[in-house]
Amino acid sequence: EIVLTQSPATLSLSPGERATLSCRASQSVGSSYFAWYQQKSGQAPRLLIYATSNRASGIPDRFSGSGSGTDFTLTISRLEPEDFAVYYCQQYGYSPLTFGGGTKVEIK
Amino acid sequence: QVHLEQSGTELKKPGASVKVSCKTSGYPFFNYNIHWVRQAPGQGLEWMGWIHTYNGDTKYAQRIQGRVTMTTDASTGTAYMELRNLRSDDTAVYYCARDAEGGDYWGRGTLVTVSS
Repeated sequence: EIVLTQSPATLSLSPGERATLSCRASQSVGSSYFAWYQQKSGQAPRLLIYATSNRASGIPDRFSGSGSGTDFTLTISRLEPEDFAVYYCQQYGYSPLTFGGGTKVEIK
Repeated sequence: QVHLEQSGTELKKPGASVKVSCKTSGYPFFNYNIHWVRQAPGQGLEWMGWIHTYNGDTKYAQRIQGRVTMTTDASTGTAYMELRNLRSDDTAVYYCARDAEGGDYWGRGTLVTVSS
C-alpha cells in the first residue's frame, strides 16, 4: 500500500497569502494518477486537481499542482476566504487507492 | 448534470448490517465505475473499494474484505454498498464517487452510526 504523508498538518495564513501544501508518497506514483481534494466542514470532498497538475472543471486558476515521483505540491497563489478548508492528496494509480491525512488551512 | 444521490442516515446496532445506496444521474451509468470512501468523525478519508459498473467486478480494501459487498442495479443507475457485522469503528460518513480522475463527482454522504 502506498502511504501518503501530508505536511504541514495545519497551515495558518491570512487571506491574500500564498499556501504551499506538500504530499510525499512512500513509493513512486505515476503523475497521471495523483489528485488533490478540498473538503469543507459537513461537505463531500471536491476534486481540485487531477493528474498532478490539471485543474478540475470550475476550479479557479489560483489553484495549481505540481510534482513527480514521490513529491507533490498544491499551491494556492492568493488565499480567498472560501479557501480555508482541509485538503487531501490521493493516488489512484495503484490499488488500494490511498489518501493523505490532510492539511488544514486555517485563518491566521 | 451529473448527480449522485445517496440514501439517508442510518443508526445500527453492533453486529447488524447496513446497505447504502447511490443513485446516479446525468451520465451513462456504464461509462464510469463507482468508488466508495468513508470518513470517521474528525478523521481523514478511507477508500473502501470500487465496482465496475459494466461487468460488476469489484475490488475491496483489505481492511474490510469479507464484510463488504458492492453491487449495482443498472436498470436504475444505482450502486449499493453493504457492510456487515458492524462495529463501533464503522461509524462514519460513507461517500460514493464517480471513478474519473480519482473521483470527479461525489455524493453528499450517508452517516452510519453504530451504537448499542
